[in-house]
Amino acid sequence: AQSVSQHNHHVILSEAASLELGCNYSYGGTVNLFWYVQYPGQHLQLLLKYFSGDPLVKGIKGFEAEFIKSKFSFNLRKPSVQWSDTAEYFCAVNDPHSSASKIIFGSGTRLSIRP
Amino acid sequence: GAGVSQTPSNKVTEKGKYVELRCDPISGHTALYWYRQSLGQGPEFLIYFQGTGAADDSGLPNDRFFAVRPEGSVSTLKIQRTERGDSAVYLCASSPSLARTGNEQFFGPGTRLTVL
Repeated sequence: AQSVSQHNHHVILSEAASLELGCNYSYGGTVNLFWYVQYPGQHLQLLLKYFSGDPLVKGIKGFEAEFIKSKFSFNLRKPSVQWSDTAEYFCAVNDPHSSASKIIFGSGTRLSIRP
Repeated sequence: GAGVSQTPSNKVTEKGKYVELRCDPISGHTALYWYRQSLGQGPEFLIYFQGTGAADDSGLPNDRFFAVRPEGSVSTLKIQRTERGDSAVYLCASSPSLARTGNEQFFGPGTRLTVL
């Protein structure tokens, strides 16, 4: 069965610091990978996604993630965070060949940015 | 509407009662999903509809949970004999299709269910 591990439950950074949130998944086949973000009081929204091709994916608001197949990882990065990046971040995986197409989410990483 | 909508936004009920949670997907989206998010956890898959049929209900925790989508648009998640452990945020998501968009799902704001 697929699973997703997010190593950091809560990350606290100062503005302008660099960010890297870890994500590992367990599934041997082809996968689609996602990062979703949930800002305080708002619903889940897609930050970026990987389906195929270039393993370095760029998303909204300056975020990027790199798919490293050999490490089963899809870490999220941002070179310089802002206070407005305070949110909960969820890594997720999906089997594109599965008829169910359900998304399996990690438990999330809460990011707090000190102004 | 522009996005997925869910009603009610909050529901407080007593143990043993029956509740219905409604989801209006984005117009034209054929795929609809229900997830449950407990405090401190990521969303957990419950059930998936492709059109009117439940293509995968493997995530429903037990037979007290049931969902329908009779006309292929609006869906209702039904919980019978609610228990305190059912308290969570219930999320709905929709997707225009499976293959072309790689299953990008658009989430609603959720319904926070509290069972006293």
